[in-house]
Amino acid sequence: EAQVTQNPRYLITVTGKKLTVTCSQNMNHEYMSWYRQDPGLGLRQIYYSMNVEVTDKGDVPEGYKVSRKEKRNFPLILESPSPNQTSLYFCASSLGSGGAYSVDTQYFGPGTRLTVL
Amino acid sequence: AQKITQTQPGMFVQEKEAVTLDCTYDTSDPSYGLFWYKQPSSGEMIFLIYQGSYDQQNATEGRYSLNFQKARKSANLVISASQLGDSAMYFCAMRDFSASKIIFGSGTRLSIRP
Repeated sequence: EAQVTQNPRYLITVTGKKLTVTCSQNMNHEYMSWYRQDPGLGLRQIYYSMNVEVTDKGDVPEGYKVSRKEKRNFPLILESPSPNQTSLYFCASSLGSGGAYSVDTQYFGPGTRLTVL
Repeated sequence: AQKITQTQPGMFVQEKEAVTLDCTYDTSDPSYGLFWYKQPSSGEMIFLIYQGSYDQQNATEGRYSLNFQKARKSANLVISASQLGDSAMYFCAMRDFSASKIIFGSGTRLSIRP
């Protein structure tokens, strides 16, 4: 089954304790992305990756790191989490080869609800 | 700079009626794609429909259609014959292909009344 998986689904942690949220896709997609969702703000892109070893900042990258060592995996790292990073996080992937002439659907993971105390 | 605006934070619609969810966008890139996603109360993001900036015809997917007015920079989602299961948050999003970023609007919460 084609899917994007995220782990953990729920996480409660304390300020300053490093954590990693894993993301994996089995569709051989080039493009992967992380978003955070906060009430009233929609989804905001944190980081994205066009391909292996190629990552770039989205609109809200502060306090986050990512890496893309393999095509299928795109972990999100919070080196020193703070309470303002409490949010719902989504990983997504797409073929990445689409353009204005073709559909380039993003497939989303189930989300990770993070609480930083 | 890119921007997506959804001006309707919430809407109530009677079952079986058609509903239009508004979305306006701003970009200087001629090559872009517009998406609509549905997020039910369970939280997952469900892709509904896509419109490329060069598509000549409005996209349609079953009961969903996208009313694409390029000159006005609007990409409204039309749901025909609404059902109770359509109650959800709906997000409009845009991908700017030169920047490769994707931005989302703030969403519209649609509630269908029986």
